Amino acid sequence: EIVLTQSPGTLSLSPGERATLSCRASQSVSSSYLAWYQQKPGQAPRLLIYGASSRATGIPDRFSGSGSGTDFTLTISRLEPEDFAVYYCQQYGSSPTFGQGTKVEIK
Amino acid sequence: EVQLVQSGAEVKKPGESLKISCKGSGYSFTSYWIGWVRQMPGKGLEWMGIIYPGDSDTRYSPSFQGQVTISADKSISTAYLQWSSLKASDTAMYYCARPLVYGDYHDAFDIWGQGTMVTVSS
Repeated sequence: EIVLTQSPGTLSLSPGERATLSCRASQSVSSSYLAWYQQKPGQAPRLLIYGASSRATGIPDRFSGSGSGTDFTLTISRLEPEDFAVYYCQQYGSSPTFGQGTKVEIK
Repeated sequence: EVQLVQSGAEVKKPGESLKISCKGSGYSFTSYWIGWVRQMPGKGLEWMGIIYPGDSDTRYSPSFQGQVTISADKSISTAYLQWSSLKASDTAMYYCARPLVYGDYHDAFDIWGQGTMVTVSS
């Protein structure tokens, strides 16, 4: 089973700042089968990025994904108030798994 | 509108059985896999397993194999997650979700149900 490790656990930033979230896999993720989700309290997760770098429908272009192999990054270019949430990466190659999450909180 | 609507919250005692549901609408239910994801209180997401309603082909995470059963009734566009004997540690929010692309379970989930909260307590 591929283990995904997200860092940092918590990111404290102000609106307008840039957020960089990391997701590292214990082994190579096939075909860049890597997604990012956003979850707000009391809500279901929302797909942001799939295929490591493709934005899902309706996702603002301030969200971008990059990486391949074992190292992936989600970047939020300028944080809006509604972006403060928990973010999860997921690999959906062999036996899909999620990372443990990164909380982006208001500084 | 494509949506997944889950059954309501449940409160059960340890040892009881339970079956929760997820009804799909607005798309061809038999053409897309439906997965289940667990979220324990205050914790992260865990991929449990997935079913293809077209032929009931089912895959489980090793962590959940033998602990739950995933099934589907394509005649009513509904997927199920069931337990034969609940434990307190099954207390969690359970989400069903549909992958982006039809016919492929190696895909991100772009449609999610609203979640079903299961509480197991004596």
